Amino acid sequence: GENGEQHPSTLSVQEGDSAVIKCTYSDSASNYFPWYKQELGKRPQLIIDIRSNVGEKKDQRIAVTLNKTAKHFSLHITETQPEDSAVYFCAASITGNTGKLIFGQGTTLQVKP
Amino acid sequence: NAGVTQTPKFQVLKTGQSMTLQCAQDMNHNSMYWYRQDPGMGLRLIYYSASEGTTDKGEVPNGYNVSRLNKREFSLRLESAAPSQTSVYFCASKGRYSYNEQFFGPGTRLTVL
Repeated sequence: GENGEQHPSTLSVQEGDSAVIKCTYSDSASNYFPWYKQELGKRPQLIIDIRSNVGEKKDQRIAVTLNKTAKHFSLHITETQPEDSAVYFCAASITGNTGKLIFGQGTTLQVKP
Repeated sequence: NAGVTQTPKFQVLKTGQSMTLQCAQDMNHNSMYWYRQDPGMGLRLIYYSASEGTTDKGEVPNGYNVSRLNKREFSLRLESAAPSQTSVYFCASKGRYSYNEQFFGPGTRLTVL
């Protein structure tokens, strides 16, 4: 299908550990890569994004890295907390000016206290 | 600002019934989107509207129609509901640039019996 590849599908960590989620994309013209967090029964909400002209972006405990050559990008969460438990989706923009995004299948992160 | 709103929140239909899901945004966004979310499959684009007066098919448009009523409102219609359309439906909107955030509505949980 058109979904980007996202790994792992589930991830369980101890509180305080780091978590890393990886995504690949296929469209070399993709230039915008957002990450969304979705808590149970809630809407997806943007937590961090990166544009193709930078390789890394950080916001407190969350960071995203982008490797354009290999067409993959990763979400890094440090010092995980129970409230980080949620489903995380990566996305990549599609060529053109429509604003369309292709989403990964999602990663369910569980942070154990 | 209410952001993106959707009605109804929940709906149960019988096979063959029709219904319209409503979406509105008050952020003066040009682009609006309809997604469906199924377990393990991420968010898949059904239809989108890059600007008022235009609509285009996404990844999974079969069985759906849309109307961009004005800049604020974008509705999704199921003409003859099928059990395969049981899903959670999200509407989203975005500003004019490709790297602008997509804001999601709260979702509609639809069950087709």
